[in-house]
Amino acid sequence: DADVTQTPRNRITKTGKRIMLECSQTKGHDRMYWYRQDPGLGLRLIYYSFDVKDINKGEISDGYSVSRQAQAKFSLSLESAIPNQTALYFCATSDSRLADEQFFGPGTRLTVL
Amino acid sequence: DAKTTQPPSMDCAEGRAANLPCNHSTISGNEYVYWYRQIHSQGPQYIIHGLKNNETNEMASLIITEDRKSSTLILPHATLRDTAVYYCIVRDVYGGATNKLIFGTGTLLAVQP
Repeated sequence: DADVTQTPRNRITKTGKRIMLECSQTKGHDRMYWYRQDPGLGLRLIYYSFDVKDINKGEISDGYSVSRQAQAKFSLSLESAIPNQTALYFCATSDSRLADEQFFGPGTRLTVL
Repeated sequence: DAKTTQPPSMDCAEGRAANLPCNHSTISGNEYVYWYRQIHSQGPQYIIHGLKNNETNEMASLIITEDRKSSTLILPHATLRDTAVYYCIVRDVYGGATNKLIFGTGTLLAVQP
């Protein structure tokens, strides 16, 4: 969905490097989420935010941190990347006033060498 | 853990109806059934959701059994572009902190020409 953008789309980095993935949305949604997907598996929730001042851990938050800089922006950081963080990362948004269906970005493919 | 059980894969002939089953025997009264799909490496796409009544939209129909322990997603006239992994998810939309999607491994629907 073009209303949810992720940058970068692809990134190759080395072990120990700090990486930031960014997500922006123009949908005016209050809720934002970060998921990761590993080959052959479903998506797993890393962090989610129901409002600018609200940050919550998901299933697999270890090794990650997030920042909700504004309602439209939600960034995911890997403080010290490790190879098992190689995955496809998706950002999603939803509107708590509506059916709360989630709209996903195009994904960021991250490779940690 | 995912609260749903789906077959890992299904085939369907182009132009025919695709019927994707999902078991959710432990569903509670406040939980809705959501369906998303993911075309290869793209972000998941919302399809439809329902509580207990059958639902239909421009993409699909959702049939929920009377006891709500299972449901079927129906794509009435499958096309090659419907080839994707389909995820059935149960979610408590009033659950606040639990109001997040938990993806299982889904069903890979392969539409054959």
